[in-house]
Amino acid sequence: DTEVTQTPKHLVMGMTNKKSLKCEQHMGHRAMYWYKQKAKKPPELMFVYSYEKLSINESVPSRFSPECPNSSLLNLHLHALQPEDSALYLCASSPGLAGVGANVLTFGAGSRLTVL
Amino acid sequence: DAKTTQPTSMDCAEGRAANLPCNHSTISGNEYVYWYRQIHSQGPQYIIHGLKNNETNEMASLIITEDRKSSTLILPHATLRDTAVYYCIVRVWIYNQGGKLIFGQGTELSVKP
Repeated sequence: DTEVTQTPKHLVMGMTNKKSLKCEQHMGHRAMYWYKQKAKKPPELMFVYSYEKLSINESVPSRFSPECPNSSLLNLHLHALQPEDSALYLCASSPGLAGVGANVLTFGAGSRLTVL
Repeated sequence: DAKTTQPTSMDCAEGRAANLPCNHSTISGNEYVYWYRQIHSQGPQYIIHGLKNNETNEMASLIITEDRKSSTLILPHATLRDTAVYYCIVRVWIYNQGGKLIFGQGTELSVKP
């Protein structure tokens, strides 16, 4: 299995809703990432997990809450979002943050979020 | 963070080599250069990376200048499926955190019949 699977593919939510984005990989990768991508812009790094511990938080607002319950799963919990948070949310994984294969990321297809 | 500069867009004829340049004049001695591409409506895809030496794999070749201030990604025989945004990235290493990839604006490559 060489894929990163993201669900749902599309999500529409109101500003008072609580929802979650899910990401799964079965490649034995120990680093997992969340990126946010607005239309016609490059992906922006949000969070990095290494061995299930949060390694990097790029000063993301607390209305985005990541969780890594095990080495195969990565969640992004969403609460009280704003319309400007509407974007494509990309999950990725890599063998690790250092050593062979570090930063050779495999990306999922993304979850397209619309906040009304 | 080392920044990269790429042309906004480029065209290439199908079957010809596509040469995508990237400037990274502030790169540090131990920072790697990574290339990814993003085909419309898909997640980014890893292409190749290197430190000092030229690298080649089944997708592309990476030529890094001796002073490491610039590099060129070469797709030897471009096809219509190579139409995508190509990102040149200098990996940032954070002590005790590891490496992270910060995407720049990228080059939109259009391969034309």
